Amino acid sequence: AQSVAQPEDQVNVAEGNPLTVKCTYSVSGNPYLFWYVQYPNRGLQFLLKYITGDNLVKGSYGFEAEFNKSQTSFHLKKPSALVSDSALYFCAVRVVINTNAGKSTFGDGTTLTVKP
Amino acid sequence: DTAVSQTPKYLVTQMGNDKSIKCEQNLGHDTMYWYKQDSKKFLKIMFSYNNKELIINETVPNRFSPKSPDKAHLNLHINSLELGDSAVYFCASSQDRRTGGFSYGYTFGSGTRLTVV
Repeated sequence: AQSVAQPEDQVNVAEGNPLTVKCTYSVSGNPYLFWYVQYPNRGLQFLLKYITGDNLVKGSYGFEAEFNKSQTSFHLKKPSALVSDSALYFCAVRVVINTNAGKSTFGDGTTLTVKP
Repeated sequence: DTAVSQTPKYLVTQMGNDKSIKCEQNLGHDTMYWYKQDSKKFLKIMFSYNNKELIINETVPNRFSPKSPDKAHLNLHINSLELGDSAVYFCASSQDRRTGGFSYGYTFGSGTRLTVV
């Protein structure tokens, strides 16, 4: 069974500093990895994904993530944090169930707080 | 145009009642999901339908029954509501066909906050 771990419940950074939100995964076979962001009282929004190819993937709002197969990690990064980046971030891994369906498992979420 | 819409947005009801939450997507996706987000913000899958066929049915009390009349709609009916059912329920959709569909992210609705009193 696949699983995702986000080891930090909370990440605090100062505006303008780089940020990292950590994610490790466990899955049989090649992983499909995703990051989502949830703002208060809203649904989750897709940020970026890794399927194959370049280990560094870029997504929305200046976020990027680095896939590391040997460490089974997919950390979310941003070179310069904004106060508006403050939100709840979810890492997810998706596996194929059959030819017509996949299943995504989400991590427990990391609350990012960016202080001015 | 709202891509994935859920109704109602808020639902307050008494224990023992039966209620339904509706979800519709206009993205042409072939797979829809229900997720439950508890008070700690943990997100757990409940059900998944692909082209009206039940694909995923996690360990959910049988008081919860999904219904998919067509691939654009996935409703959730809950019988005999309990206090522990209080949560935010999210509907999501994705394109899950074999031809690269698994590489697409999910599109989520804005959630239904269910409060059982």
